Amino acid sequence: GENVEQHPSTLSVQEGDSAVIKCTYSDSASNYFPWYKQELGKRPQLIIDIRSNVGEKKDQRIAVTLNKTAKHFSLHITETQPEDSAVYFCAAPISSNTGKLIFGQGTTLQVKP
Amino acid sequence: DTGVSQNPRHKITKRGQNVTFRCDPISEHNRLYWYRQTLGQGPEFLTYFQNEAQLEKSRLLSDRFSAERPKGSFSTLEIQRTEQGDSAMYLCASSFRSGRENIQYFGAGTRLSVL
Repeated sequence: GENVEQHPSTLSVQEGDSAVIKCTYSDSASNYFPWYKQELGKRPQLIIDIRSNVGEKKDQRIAVTLNKTAKHFSLHITETQPEDSAVYFCAAPISSNTGKLIFGQGTTLQVKP
Repeated sequence: DTGVSQNPRHKITKRGQNVTFRCDPISEHNRLYWYRQTLGQGPEFLTYFQNEAQLEKSRLLSDRFSAERPKGSFSTLEIQRTEQGDSAMYLCASSFRSGRENIQYFGAGTRLSVL
């Protein structure tokens, strides 16, 4: 079925530590994997994405890795800051040529000062 | 261009009433999506438009829900005979499909409360 699993559901780290969030997906045809950050009461904002032709992508303190064989991808945040505290969602287009996204359940990241 | 715009931001209604939400996508974006998000969950796909054509609907979209995108610009989502279970955040996203690009940008959503 259409499925994106995300773990953990909550993550608490000390400021300066790294945070890792993992997702698995069901559709081997999926070729695009975005990550969204959603602060309380605000819109989901795209923070990084990766396409199936690369295994890793970095943007300053944020990186995403993709393992197509295992059908999983991960978000890595280094040197975490309190403003990184938010809910993070992974997503993938599943069983679709329309680009509709299936989202993971979300990870609430708390960065303690 | 100020991004995807949705209104109203909040809507409180009584059970059984009809409500309509509006989404204005980023100009020139040919793809428009509606999602629903409940507390503690990720957005769930409802329906998709390419230009003015509605090309996909989720089975979550009961026949009380209808969406339109006249002229391929703004879109409306109407819920008839609202139920308490319809209470949620309704999000709109738009994108421009060009080659492999299909990045979806979200609006701030309309929060619906059905009393």
